[in-house]
Amino acid sequence: KNEVEQSPQNLTAQEGEFITINCSYSVGISALHWLQQHPGGGIVSLFMLSSGKKKHGRLIATINIQEKHSSLHITASHPRDSAVYICARTGSGGSNYKLTFGKGTLLTVNP
Amino acid sequence: KAGVTQTPRYLIKTRGQQVTLSCSPISGHRSVSWYQQTPGQGLQFLFEYFSETQRNKGNFPGRFSGRQFSNSRSEMNVSTLELGDSALYLCASSFRDLRGLAGYTFGSGTRLTVV
Repeated sequence: KNEVEQSPQNLTAQEGEFITINCSYSVGISALHWLQQHPGGGIVSLFMLSSGKKKHGRLIATINIQEKHSSLHITASHPRDSAVYICARTGSGGSNYKLTFGKGTLLTVNP
Repeated sequence: KAGVTQTPRYLIKTRGQQVTLSCSPISGHRSVSWYQQTPGQGLQFLFEYFSETQRNKGNFPGRFSGRQFSNSRSEMNVSTLELGDSALYLCASSFRDLRGLAGYTFGSGTRLTVV
């Protein structure tokens, strides 16, 4: 079992819809990261969370440490949000510069 | 400030050859980590360097190696290339925030094709 599990694998939405992507992890973390990757490869770091909730524009990320679960929400989705969204964890102690990734969620937002 | 710079962007090599990829981190970032991305395996951690020392290593064969220079620039080397080494290789430079958490900035990657 992968240390980081994401769901769904694929998600298709209509413009304007509210979107949720889920991430579960099996071992303790120092931080949980949400990343965005557009076709062509470049990865952008969206959020780094250790507790609670963060918001940036239309994007909201939450984490529940006790349940080892995080969600990424996109409000009022737009076709430019189409990308792969990747959840990743960094561990504690000596491994906290090592990212372990989920398989990613391919989001397609249709106009 | 300048981002993370990876060179080259694209590379085509023949089986059995070796390749060296370069990564220049954001100024002031002392940690550089490398990742391999393939359609089958997704993103996988290769290794991480801090102040010229390798601190973490992923589960890759010894053909994959790296180093970091005193200016924090890093190189990774793959010897005796195999077809399965075809992938996007990403590096990320990292900083610690006030809580000691590591944040990452990724380069655009080097797409390696082995023929």
